[in-house]
Amino acid sequence: KQEVTQIPAALSVPEGENLVLNCSFTDSAIYNLQWFRQDPGKGLTSLLLIQSSQREQTSGRLNASLDKSSGRSTLYIAASQPGDSATYLCAVGGGYNTDKLIFGTGTRLQVFP
Amino acid sequence: GAVVSQHPSWVICKSGTSVKIECRSLDFQATTMFWYRQFPKQSLMLMATSNEGSKATYEQGVEKDKFLINHASLTLSTLTVTSAHPEDSSFYICSARDSGNPGHGKNIQYFGAGTRLSVL
Repeated sequence: KQEVTQIPAALSVPEGENLVLNCSFTDSAIYNLQWFRQDPGKGLTSLLLIQSSQREQTSGRLNASLDKSSGRSTLYIAASQPGDSATYLCAVGGGYNTDKLIFGTGTRLQVFP
Repeated sequence: GAVVSQHPSWVICKSGTSVKIECRSLDFQATTMFWYRQFPKQSLMLMATSNEGSKATYEQGVEKDKFLINHASLTLSTLTVTSAHPEDSSFYICSARDSGNPGHGKNIQYFGAGTRLSVL
Protein backbone atom coordinates (compact mmCIF):
# COMPACT_ATOMS: atom_id res chain seq x y z
CA LYS A 1 0.00 0.00 0.00
CA GLN A 2 1.40 3.34 -1.06
CA GLU A 3 2.12 5.79 1.76
CA VAL A 4 3.14 9.38 1.20
CA THR A 5 4.84 11.42 3.91
CA GLN A 6 5.84 15.06 3.96
CA ILE A 7 8.49 16.69 6.10
CA PRO A 8 8.38 19.09 7.83
CA ALA A 9 4.76 19.14 8.95
CA ALA A 10 4.99 22.87 9.58
CA LEU A 11 7.45 25.59 8.70
CA SER A 12 7.66 29.26 9.63
CA VAL A 13 10.24 31.47 7.91
CA PRO A 14 10.95 35.14 7.30
CA GLU A 15 10.24 36.62 3.92
CA GLY A 16 12.98 36.18 1.34
CA GLU A 17 14.24 32.78 2.43
CA ASN A 18 14.65 29.89 0.04
CA LEU A 19 12.72 26.81 1.15
CA VAL A 20 12.77 23.08 0.56
CA LEU A 21 9.73 20.94 1.23
CA ASN A 22 10.13 17.18 1.20
CA CYS A 23 7.86 14.38 0.05
CA SER A 24 8.61 10.67 0.29
CA PHE A 25 6.63 7.68 -0.96
CA THR A 26 7.01 3.99 -0.19
CA ASP A 27 6.21 2.44 -3.58
CA SER A 28 8.38 3.71 -6.42
CA ALA A 29 5.99 2.38 -9.08
CA ILE A 30 4.28 5.72 -9.59
CA TYR A 31 2.93 7.24 -12.77
CA ASN A 32 3.51 10.86 -11.80
CA LEU A 33 3.77 13.17 -8.83
CA GLN A 34 2.07 16.49 -8.28
CA TRP A 35 2.46 19.36 -5.87
CA PHE A 36 -0.62 21.28 -4.79
CA ARG A 37 -1.26 24.36 -2.74
CA GLN A 38 -4.23 24.62 -0.37
CA ASP A 39 -5.27 27.84 1.31
CA PRO A 40 -7.22 27.54 4.60
CA GLY A 41 -10.74 26.25 4.02
CA LYS A 42 -10.24 26.14 0.28
CA GLY A 43 -9.75 23.60 -2.47
CA LEU A 44 -6.51 22.64 -4.16
CA THR A 45 -4.49 24.50 -6.75
CA SER A 46 -2.12 22.45 -8.86
CA LEU A 47 1.42 23.84 -8.86
CA LEU A 48 3.61 21.35 -10.68
CA LEU A 49 3.28 17.93 -12.25
CA ILE A 50 6.26 15.64 -12.79
CA GLN A 51 5.87 12.55 -14.92
CA SER A 52 7.70 9.44 -13.72
CA SER A 53 10.18 9.77 -16.59
CA GLN A 54 11.10 13.32 -15.64
CA ARG A 55 13.56 14.58 -13.05
CA GLU A 56 12.22 18.07 -12.41
CA GLN A 57 9.73 20.76 -13.36
CA THR A 58 9.91 24.51 -12.90
CA SER A 59 7.30 27.24 -12.71
CA GLY A 60 8.39 30.71 -11.73
CA ARG A 61 9.92 30.58 -8.25
CA LEU A 62 8.96 26.94 -7.83
CA ASN A 63 11.07 23.96 -8.74
CA ALA A 64 10.07 20.37 -8.08
CA SER A 65 12.40 17.42 -8.41
CA LEU A 66 11.69 13.71 -8.49
CA ASP A 67 13.93 10.79 -7.60
CA LYS A 68 11.67 7.87 -8.27
CA SER A 69 14.15 5.16 -7.30
CA SER A 70 14.62 6.57 -3.83
CA GLY A 71 10.96 7.51 -3.45
CA ARG A 72 11.55 11.21 -2.94
CA SER A 73 10.45 14.55 -4.29
CA THR A 74 11.34 18.05 -3.20
CA LEU A 75 9.62 21.37 -3.79
CA TYR A 76 11.99 24.31 -3.81
CA ILE A 77 10.53 27.78 -3.28
CA ALA A 78 12.88 30.64 -4.04
CA ALA A 79 12.69 34.04 -2.38
CA SER A 80 9.61 33.21 -0.31
CA GLN A 81 6.85 35.80 0.11
CA PRO A 82 4.01 36.16 2.64
CA GLY A 83 1.61 35.22 -0.16
CA ASP A 84 3.25 31.80 -0.29
CA SER A 85 1.76 30.99 3.11
CA ALA A 86 -0.46 27.94 2.65
CA THR A 87 -0.44 24.17 3.03
CA TYR A 88 1.52 22.33 0.37
CA LEU A 89 0.49 18.81 -0.53
CA CYS A 90 2.24 16.30 -2.71
CA ALA A 91 0.26 13.52 -4.39
CA VAL A 92 1.40 10.49 -6.33
CA GLY A 93 -0.44 9.01 -9.27
CA GLY A 94 -0.84 5.39 -8.33
CA GLY A 95 -0.14 3.69 -11.63
CA TYR A 96 -0.96 3.39 -15.31
CA ASN A 97 -4.34 1.75 -14.82
CA THR A 98 -5.67 4.11 -12.21
CA ASP A 99 -6.61 7.76 -11.97
CA LYS A 100 -6.31 7.75 -8.20
CA LEU A 101 -4.14 10.22 -6.37
CA ILE A 102 -2.61 9.40 -3.00
CA PHE A 103 -1.93 12.49 -0.97
CA GLY A 104 0.82 13.23 1.48
CA THR A 105 0.33 14.58 4.96
CA GLY A 106 1.07 18.18 3.94
CA THR A 107 3.43 20.94 5.04
CA ARG A 108 1.90 24.08 6.54
CA LEU A 109 4.04 27.02 5.52
CA GLN A 110 3.96 30.46 7.05
CA VAL A 111 6.10 33.23 5.62
CA PHE A 112 6.17 36.33 7.78
CA PRO A 113 7.19 39.83 6.68
CA GLY B 1 -10.82 26.66 -18.34
CA ALA B 2 -11.20 23.44 -16.32
CA VAL B 3 -13.33 24.85 -13.53
CA VAL B 4 -15.02 22.64 -10.97
CA SER B 5 -17.82 24.15 -8.94
CA GLN B 6 -18.80 22.67 -5.60
CA HIS B 7 -21.96 23.64 -3.76
CA PRO B 8 -22.66 24.47 -1.02
CA SER B 9 -19.41 25.79 0.37
CA TRP B 10 -20.63 25.48 3.93
CA VAL B 11 -23.57 23.67 5.46
CA ILE B 12 -24.74 23.27 9.04
CA CYS B 13 -27.33 20.62 9.77
CA LYS B 14 -28.95 18.82 12.65
CA SER B 15 -27.97 15.30 13.54
CA GLY B 16 -30.07 12.76 11.67
CA THR B 17 -30.69 14.84 8.58
CA SER B 18 -29.28 14.19 5.13
CA VAL B 19 -27.09 16.63 3.24
CA LYS B 20 -26.43 16.72 -0.50
CA ILE B 21 -23.25 18.19 -1.96
CA GLU B 22 -22.96 18.93 -5.68
CA CYS B 23 -19.86 18.83 -7.83
CA ARG B 24 -20.06 20.28 -11.35
CA SER B 25 -17.53 20.51 -14.12
CA LEU B 26 -18.37 23.84 -15.73
CA ASP B 27 -16.46 23.79 -18.99
CA PHE B 28 -15.56 20.18 -19.62
CA GLN B 29 -17.06 16.73 -19.46
CA ALA B 30 -16.09 14.41 -16.65
CA THR B 31 -17.00 10.74 -16.76
CA THR B 32 -14.92 10.30 -13.64
CA MET B 33 -15.09 12.39 -10.50
CA PHE B 34 -13.58 11.81 -7.09
CA TRP B 35 -14.78 12.56 -3.58
CA TYR B 36 -12.31 13.24 -0.80
CA ARG B 37 -12.65 13.89 2.89
CA GLN B 38 -10.26 16.04 4.89
CA PHE B 39 -10.13 16.34 8.66
CA PRO B 40 -8.58 19.45 10.23
CA LYS B 41 -4.84 19.66 9.65
CA GLN B 42 -4.85 16.34 7.88
CA SER B 43 -4.45 15.31 4.29
CA LEU B 44 -7.09 14.34 1.75
CA MET B 45 -8.43 10.83 1.94
CA LEU B 46 -10.12 9.41 -1.13
CA MET B 47 -13.62 8.23 -0.30
CA ALA B 48 -14.90 7.07 -3.66
CA THR B 49 -14.57 7.29 -7.40
CA SER B 50 -17.73 8.45 -9.11
CA ASN B 51 -18.40 7.02 -12.55
CA GLU B 52 -20.95 8.53 -14.92
CA GLY B 53 -23.81 6.13 -15.57
CA SER B 54 -22.62 3.44 -13.21
CA LYS B 55 -22.09 2.73 -9.55
CA ALA B 56 -19.41 4.50 -7.61
CA THR B 57 -16.34 2.64 -6.43
CA TYR B 58 -15.80 3.10 -2.71
CA GLU B 59 -12.51 2.91 -0.87
CA GLN B 60 -12.06 0.40 1.89
CA GLY B 61 -13.75 1.48 5.09
CA VAL B 62 -16.16 3.95 3.47
CA GLU B 63 -19.81 3.07 3.98
CA LYS B 64 -21.59 3.22 0.65
CA ASP B 65 -25.02 3.40 2.29
CA LYS B 66 -23.85 6.32 4.38
CA PHE B 67 -22.29 8.28 1.55
CA LEU B 68 -24.51 7.99 -1.50
CA ILE B 69 -22.97 9.04 -4.78
CA ASN B 70 -24.88 9.75 -7.97
CA HIS B 71 -23.18 10.66 -11.25
CA ALA B 72 -26.14 11.04 -13.57
CA SER B 73 -24.60 13.31 -16.17
CA LEU B 74 -21.21 14.10 -17.66
CA THR B 75 -20.94 17.28 -15.64
CA LEU B 76 -22.53 16.53 -12.28
CA SER B 77 -21.81 14.23 -9.38
CA THR B 78 -23.56 14.44 -6.02
CA LEU B 79 -22.57 13.16 -2.61
CA THR B 80 -25.35 12.68 -0.08
CA VAL B 81 -24.39 12.20 3.55
CA THR B 82 -27.34 10.27 4.92
CA SER B 83 -28.46 10.52 8.54
CA ALA B 84 -25.53 12.77 9.34
CA HIS B 85 -23.96 12.65 12.79
CA PRO B 86 -21.38 14.92 14.43
CA GLU B 87 -18.56 12.53 13.50
CA ASP B 88 -19.41 13.18 9.83
CA SER B 89 -18.41 16.82 10.28
CA SER B 90 -15.51 17.38 7.93
CA PHE B 91 -14.33 19.14 4.80
CA TYR B 92 -15.44 17.35 1.64
CA ILE B 93 -13.67 18.06 -1.65
CA CYS B 94 -14.52 16.79 -5.10
CA SER B 95 -12.38 16.63 -8.20
CA ALA B 96 -13.00 15.84 -11.83
CA ARG B 97 -10.98 14.42 -14.68
CA ASP B 98 -11.39 15.93 -18.14
CA SER B 99 -12.59 12.92 -20.12
CA GLY B 100 -13.03 14.94 -23.29
CA ASN B 101 -9.32 15.40 -23.73
CA PRO B 102 -7.78 12.15 -24.99
CA GLY B 103 -4.32 13.62 -24.73
CA HIS B 104 -4.82 14.54 -21.14
CA GLY B 105 -2.36 13.00 -18.80
CA LYS B 106 -3.45 10.48 -16.25
CA ASN B 107 -4.10 11.57 -12.71
CA ILE B 108 -4.84 15.15 -13.77
CA GLN B 109 -7.73 16.21 -11.59
CA TYR B 110 -9.35 19.59 -11.18
CA PHE B 111 -10.56 20.33 -7.69
CA GLY B 112 -13.60 22.07 -6.32
CA ALA B 113 -13.33 24.60 -3.50
CA GLY B 114 -14.68 22.17 -0.94
CA THR B 115 -17.71 21.95 1.33
CA ARG B 116 -17.44 22.33 5.07
CA LEU B 117 -20.07 20.20 6.79
CA SER B 118 -20.90 20.84 10.42
CA VAL B 119 -23.36 18.46 12.05
CA LEU B 120 -24.83 19.66 15.33
